[in-house]
Amino acid sequence: EAGVVQSPRYKIIEKKQPVAFWCNPISGHNTLYWYRQNLGQGPELLIRYENEEAVDDSQLPKDRFSAERLKGVDSTLKIQPAELGDSAVYLCASSLGPLTGANTEAFFGQGTRLTVV
Amino acid sequence: GNSVTQMEGPVTLSEEAFLTINCTYTATGYPSLFWYVQYPGEGLQLLLKATKADDKGSNKGFEATYRKETTSFHLEKGSVQVSDSAVYFCARTSGSARQLTFGSGTQLTVLP
Repeated sequence: EAGVVQSPRYKIIEKKQPVAFWCNPISGHNTLYWYRQNLGQGPELLIRYENEEAVDDSQLPKDRFSAERLKGVDSTLKIQPAELGDSAVYLCASSLGPLTGANTEAFFGQGTRLTVV
Repeated sequence: GNSVTQMEGPVTLSEEAFLTINCTYTATGYPSLFWYVQYPGEGLQLLLKATKADDKGSNKGFEATYRKETTSFHLEKGSVQVSDSAVYFCARTSGSARQLTFGSGTQLTVLP
């Protein structure tokens, strides 16, 4: 069974340019997460989707970041324009549903390492 | 709030040494607790988990026990191998937010 697939693996862009990351979650997983992992730190949630609805985007910098999950499957995270401080690894994860009760496992992709120069 | 405090690294051990990486969490709600591992150049992989107090999670020789009285979930392994070199993250679920909150990670290096 395929895991969470992200692309690209690496991206180098100049500041003020746009960039987009793509995520394909595990088949049948209704919940999708985007996390940002700064160097030497743990991942921090940017946005969580339940199917196609963004149910928690309180940590998403909405002035420059946007995300969508059309049809409740694949998702795209966009930054426009990128800033030097956006350099990080962007991780996508998915789970069968919300992490409550018996469903407590999230599966992570390999991430996209973004470098803004 | 919901937070996780993890032992700072880096940790360097010789092969076959005993490993402990400390993790404590804020006692809000009834979280599930996790240890994730991140090998170089790869994404996070679930190592073990515990969903209620006194549960012990175990995998690949690693163990951690959910201690409600001390709000801890320390990771242990009796004899580490070079292949265990990685970054280890402690995490908890956030009941109402239904997401994972991570510690800052501990870099482990095992020398032959």
